[in-house]
Amino acid sequence: DIQVTQSPSSLLASLGERVTITCQTSQSISNNLNWYQQKPGQAPMLLIYYATSLQTGMPSRFSGQYSGRSFTLTITSLEPEDIANYFCLQHYSAPYTFGAGTKLELK
Amino acid sequence: QIQLVQSGPELKKPGESLKISCKASGYTFTDYAMQWVKQAPGKGLQYMGWINTQTGKPTYADDFKERFVFSLETSASTAYLQINNLKNEDTATYFCVRGTGDYWGQGVMVTVSS
Repeated sequence: DIQVTQSPSSLLASLGERVTITCQTSQSISNNLNWYQQKPGQAPMLLIYYATSLQTGMPSRFSGQYSGRSFTLTITSLEPEDIANYFCLQHYSAPYTFGAGTKLELK
Repeated sequence: QIQLVQSGPELKKPGESLKISCKASGYTFTDYAMQWVKQAPGKGLQYMGWINTQTGKPTYADDFKERFVFSLETSASTAYLQINNLKNEDTATYFCVRGTGDYWGQGVMVTVSS
């Protein structure tokens, strides 16, 4: 099974700050990784698909990049509504695997 | 628009069974596999497996090979998750997820308690 290591597990940031979250996979998955935002009591919402593509309707301050087995989600300028949990999902091969999640909180 | 609408919350006792539904609309049901995901309270997401909506063949992740059954009612564009012999540790929210993760159901909260 492909392991996904997500970091950090929690993050304190200020409004307007640039935020970066990383997922590292145990083997190459090409670009088969999605990023999600989840708020309490809600279903996850797709932010980025195939590592770099912004889901329709999501703010352009969210972006995804990857190099090899390392994937990053960046929020260029943190807004209050971005306070949430974030996680990645590799869908290169079954069983799909999730990162453990990053809890983003306001400093 | 594309939607996955799941059935309502469940309160069960240990040893009982339940069946959760996930009704798809807005797309051709058999064009995408259906995945199932578990989220225990305050925890991350755990992949349970998937079902091929063209053949009905289920594939289970290792932790879900016993007591869990994926099935379909293709004529109704509906996928089902059945959990048998419920245990306290099955208390969680269960999501159905289309294909490679673009659309999610709203989740079903399952509580198992004596």
